Amino acid sequence: DVLMTQTPVSLPVSLGGQVSISCRSSQSLVHSDGNTYLHWYLQKPGQSPQLLIYRVSNRFSGVPDRFSGSGSGTDFTLKISRVEPEDLGVYYCLQSTHFPYTFGAGTKLELK
Amino acid sequence: EVQLQQSGAELGKPGTSVKLSCKVSGYNIRNTYMHWVNQRPGKGLEWIGRIDPANGNTIYAEKFKSKATLTADTSSNTAYMQLSQLKSDDTAIYFCAMKHPFAYWGQGTLVTVSS
Repeated sequence: DVLMTQTPVSLPVSLGGQVSISCRSSQSLVHSDGNTYLHWYLQKPGQSPQLLIYRVSNRFSGVPDRFSGSGSGTDFTLKISRVEPEDLGVYYCLQSTHFPYTFGAGTKLELK
Repeated sequence: EVQLQQSGAELGKPGTSVKLSCKVSGYNIRNTYMHWVNQRPGKGLEWIGRIDPANGNTIYAEKFKSKATLTADTSSNTAYMQLSQLKSDDTAIYFCAMKHPFAYWGQGTLVTVSS
């Protein structure tokens, strides 16, 4: 199985600040079709996860442009600028290039 | 508007089975894969498997092959997951999700395994 290593585990932030979350995979996420199936989700307390970014850098409908994704191969980053209160929660990366799909362990974004 | 409505919380005894449902409105499940994901208490997300409701084809994560059985009923636009031989470590919230990469999620069903 592809191991997804997410860092940091916890990320204290001040409102209005900028943060980055890293997600590294144990093997390349480039699919034979040429696409890279690496996605990012936010799970707020007591809620289902919500899709933020799909295929590395594409913002899902309604996601503010404060969220951006980048990376390639095995190394990916989610950046959040001008952090707002509604951004707090646990962020997960997911790879769906290889079966079984695997998630990172999560990064908890919390207030300093 | 696409909505996924999951069945209510379940309390199962060790060794028994439970069957969870995920009813979709606003989208025909024949046109998507239905996925299931779990989340153990205080832990992260784990992909269980997916079903193609159009033909019943399934793919499971290895560790769930003898635990979960995915089915779908296109006439009622509903996906199901049966969990068998329940053990205490099956206690978790189980989510259905669709329109990969999981653009839509159900609200989750809490399964508690206890004697």
